[in-house]
Amino acid sequence: DQQVKQNSPSLSVQEGRISILNCDYTNSMFDYFLWYKKYPAEGPTFLISISSIKDKNEDGRFTVFLNKSAKHLSLHIVPSQPGDSAVYFCAASAIGDMRFGAGTRLTVKP
Amino acid sequence: DAGVIQSPRHEVTEMGQEVTLRCKPISGHNSLFWYRQTMMRGLELLIYFNNNVPIDDSGMPEDRFSAKMPNASFSTLKIQPSEPRDSAVYFCASTGQGSGTEAFFGQGTRLTVV
Repeated sequence: DQQVKQNSPSLSVQEGRISILNCDYTNSMFDYFLWYKKYPAEGPTFLISISSIKDKNEDGRFTVFLNKSAKHLSLHIVPSQPGDSAVYFCAASAIGDMRFGAGTRLTVKP
Repeated sequence: DAGVIQSPRHEVTEMGQEVTLRCKPISGHNSLFWYRQTMMRGLELLIYFNNNVPIDDSGMPEDRFSAKMPNASFSTLKIQPSEPRDSAVYFCASTGQGSGTEAFFGQGTRLTVV
């Protein structure tokens, strides 16, 4: 039962352009949403998050948007850089629980 | 704090053998998660603990898998007997009290069952 879904397994963008990664969830009890970045042979590292009481959170080049009615969130990276190439996981949390999507592999080409 | 510590980093074992993966969460964190990374399902939640108590183990694939958290600073994930399809990277993560906090991950254990 996939409560968090990332339907795009991969995304390729040109350096300097915007990267948009999408995520959908099914459980309306989730109240906190996170994005993690993962490099090979390392554990996922926290990138940015958003509470369900907000619809946007920005941190430098990274912005997360939340659409609660659609149960959808997205991560925007602008401008994209080659160092952003990694697997990005979306996560949704309720108290004591945290579920992840399947990940999207982002490749930023120079 | 050294972060979440997992051991071993790599494990190669023969089919049918028992495998034990270990995790030391960040001190003061009260939730601990075990995930398995697969191509199809990404980070698949196997089980999580709150205050050392297992809360949801519905993600544990079979009875061959078991997890324990005897105290706040240690958890194990055991597979007995192991099978080749168990080969994956297993991650442990911990987080603090309540909602609105991020989970911190260990480096993972890459398990290969031959």
